[in-house]
Amino acid sequence: SQQGEEDPQALSIQEGENATMNCSYKTSINNLQWYRQNSGRGLVHLILIRSNEREKHSGRLRVTLDTSKKSSSLLITASRAADTASYFCATLYGGATNKLIFGTGTLLAVQP
Amino acid sequence: EPEVTQTPSHQVTQMGQEVILRCVPISNHLYFYWYRQILGQKVEFLVSFYNNEISEKSEIFDDQFSVERPDGSNFTLKIRSTKLEDSAMYFCASSEQGQLNTEAFFGQGTRLTVV
Repeated sequence: SQQGEEDPQALSIQEGENATMNCSYKTSINNLQWYRQNSGRGLVHLILIRSNEREKHSGRLRVTLDTSKKSSSLLITASRAADTASYFCATLYGGATNKLIFGTGTLLAVQP
Repeated sequence: EPEVTQTPSHQVTQMGQEVILRCVPISNHLYFYWYRQILGQKVEFLVSFYNNEISEKSEIFDDQFSVERPDGSNFTLKIRSTKLEDSAMYFCASSEQGQLNTEAFFGQGTRLTVV
């Protein structure tokens, strides 16, 4: 199925450490987006990276995209307790579609 | 900062009843979406809406579901005869352009519980 898969499923780190989450997908994409979801709440958009881009930064976030490996990673540097949330990748596959396919998510816990 | 707002935040309904979930997208956005997330599962696409018509829908979006933009600001999802398996968090989203070029902004969700 054309769905993203994140790993790890869960990640626990100490404040100040870096957190890396990975996402893999199966077919060609137009773009890949990362979202954050605090427990039981809405989805907050973090970064959009297009298929012709390899890296993007936003504050403490760094996203890479390797289309040859069909994978992306989200790096959060100098993590804070407030970064505790679930992180999802969502892919926009090729063709005339506006449908995002979400992955399974990584649950990040940042211990103070 | 502009945001997508959804009402109600929680809705409990009897099986077989009709529910309408309401959303106010960001004002200059042209594309609107509904997604749902069953507890513990992935976020799933339901439908996209552009230029006053459905542009894409998933297999989940069967005849029991409908969407409407009744005025210039609201975007609604109606479930005609709710089933237990419709219990989920429903998210509305909007984007300025199609997803190819711009990100979607999501609301806080409506938690629907069918009993």
